[in-house]
Amino acid sequence: GAGVSQSPSNKVTEKGKDVELRCDPISGHTALYWYRQSLGQGLEFLIYFQGNSAPDKSGLPSDRFSAERTGGSVSTLTIQRTQQEDSAVYLCASSLVGTSGTDTQYFGPGTRLTVL
Amino acid sequence: AQSVTQPDIHITVSEGASLELRCNYSYGATPYLFWYVQSPGQGLQLLLKYFSGDTLVQGIKGFEAEFKRSQSSFNLRKPSVHWSDAAEYFCAVGEPGSYNKLIFGAGTRLAVHP
Repeated sequence: GAGVSQSPSNKVTEKGKDVELRCDPISGHTALYWYRQSLGQGLEFLIYFQGNSAPDKSGLPSDRFSAERTGGSVSTLTIQRTQQEDSAVYLCASSLVGTSGTDTQYFGPGTRLTVL
Repeated sequence: AQSVTQPDIHITVSEGASLELRCNYSYGATPYLFWYVQSPGQGLQLLLKYFSGDTLVQGIKGFEAEFKRSQSSFNLRKPSVHWSDAAEYFCAVGEPGSYNKLIFGAGTRLAVHP
């Protein structure tokens, strides 16, 4: 597609429920990243995919967070048993290669998650 | 660990005035350096990046940035600001060999007065 797309754009959930956030990267991009943007913590790296594998998941804040990528394309970030501190904007980015460190990351518009 | 400091949380300038947004980083070697802009309700857009070579980097929308190794800085500049430049600006660093993971500063929100 023309850019990185994310769905839903907004998600409101109740504490304790599970949520799934979806990211469609730019076609042909092998690298995919998830970041979280919150008032208290700013922009934080969560996880990086190269193809379908995740060589760096060091930013996932707890075991309630998981992510997968299938077919080297779509990625889903799942948050189980959501807590109020999970409220944030979740940003997805993709880049062409990812292994050199010099790629430009193209960001999607984000999913705003609100946990009541 | 790497860190990025943007000392100015909020800056207000008049349209047509010059702009400089500050960014300092902490890292043992020269990292990869980036400036992104985020308009309200939008994702992040890359303005420019520095990996090596000429320390003055030109970007989109008339922005430039200068890498100064001695000061561990990568300040963003624009000679004449337009009202459409009002947005939040993020400086980020990437560690060579770290799979492109970016560490972001806290951001500087720019307001432009007519």
